[in-house]
Amino acid sequence: DAMVIQNPRYQVTQFGKPVTLSCSQTLNHNVMYWYQQKSSQAPKLLFHYYDKDFNNEADTPDNFQSRRPNTSFCFLDIRSPGLGDAAMYLCATSRGVAHSYNEQFFGPGTRLTVL
Amino acid sequence: AQKVTQAQTEISVVEKEDVTLDCVYETRDTTYYLFWYKQPPSGELVFLIRRNSFDEQNEISGRYSWNFQKSTSSFNFTITASQVVDSAVYFCALRLGGSEKLVFGKGTKLTVNP
Repeated sequence: DAMVIQNPRYQVTQFGKPVTLSCSQTLNHNVMYWYQQKSSQAPKLLFHYYDKDFNNEADTPDNFQSRRPNTSFCFLDIRSPGLGDAAMYLCATSRGVAHSYNEQFFGPGTRLTVL
Repeated sequence: AQKVTQAQTEISVVEKEDVTLDCVYETRDTTYYLFWYKQPPSGELVFLIRRNSFDEQNEISGRYSWNFQKSTSSFNFTITASQVVDSAVYFCALRLGGSEKLVFGKGTKLTVNP
């Protein structure tokens, strides 16, 4: 089945220690997104890639970076995690706004704990 | 600016009851898309439905139905004969035409008790 895969599902890191979260897709979608979702809140978009074009949200802290080396993979790097960065991180993909079927499909998420 | 309001924070029903989740949106754009997602306790957001602003036709899919009314800027979701497996947080979301960004409501936590 075509899908969005996130690894690891659970990640524990120490305060200030860089961490990388991974997302891959078999849907061959043009757009990949990273969302942050804190407990009992709605997902918040951090940034997205349309193909190789990176689009950052204005309020995303510089501490969060992303890489998309190819169509299938996208990474979220947190350079110096703080306690406030503990959250579920959701990766999503879509065909893009120009397509009629433009819904976003989400992966299972990575739950990040910062000690 | 666009906004999605889900006024019901939590709803609790008994199995087999019908339940309606409300969603009200705000936008000045004429082209936009509305979505419903389900987030079970496992955490994955599951896509349920997409509606574009030019299609006010209501939709039924099994026990699920959606009522889109532009006149009241609402896109409500009804579950008929609810089941325990329907227990989840449900998010309504809005995306403007030409934008990749999904704006989510705060979600409604539905608990279906046996």
